Amino acid sequence: DTAVSQTPKYLVTQMGNDKSIKCEQNLGHDTMYWYKQDSKKFLKIMFSYNNKELIINETVPNRFSPKSPDKAHLNLHINSLELGDSAVYFCASSQRDRGPWGTEAFFGQGTRLTVV
Amino acid sequence: QKEVEQNSGPLSVPEGAIASLNCTYSDRGSQSFFWYRQYSGKSPELIMFIYSNGDKEDGRFTAQLNKASQYVSLLIRDSQPSDSATYLCAVTPLLPGGYQKVTFGTGTKLQVIP
Repeated sequence: DTAVSQTPKYLVTQMGNDKSIKCEQNLGHDTMYWYKQDSKKFLKIMFSYNNKELIINETVPNRFSPKSPDKAHLNLHINSLELGDSAVYFCASSQRDRGPWGTEAFFGQGTRLTVV
Repeated sequence: QKEVEQNSGPLSVPEGAIASLNCTYSDRGSQSFFWYRQYSGKSPELIMFIYSNGDKEDGRFTAQLNKASQYVSLLIRDSQPSDSATYLCAVTPLLPGGYQKVTFGTGTKLQVIP
């Protein structure tokens, strides 16, 4: 059973197009994330949702719009794609604790987006 | 200043040697510290976590945490070619409301030479 699954795995599209990436987790976690990993392998957080509520929005262009219909799903829609959007996008989930200790994030397999 | 900093490497060690990976972080309120391994073309996977100052050992891996120095490290003993990967340090500073933000360093590429 796949814990965090993303679709599609590969996405090649032209500049100016609109595309979506879907993510689902079956771990029962209440927190989900989108990360962007650039060519230098830096994993930069974009968004975080907790129980469908947006918690983190890290100065991402508003062409990127996350949507969480329920706590098991977090989708990412990108409008007017640009060359600089080419990267690997990872979805992840974790369980928020009430205490001071965080828990690890579980990652999907990634979506390699190539804008041409 | 980045929130989590690592030397990008590559760090090359001979097979059987100890590999030492280092990480510093800026948020003194951080409580949880993780090491992830990422093979080329794959997603990150957790290998170690540590919450308290000192050392934590798990098989060939030892994580070390020094909160006063805002420093966390990972030692890999008896390094194997299969350990060749990028190692990502992650820190979870707490946000208002108790929410967490898993923040990653830039990663250190490790090459184990047979």
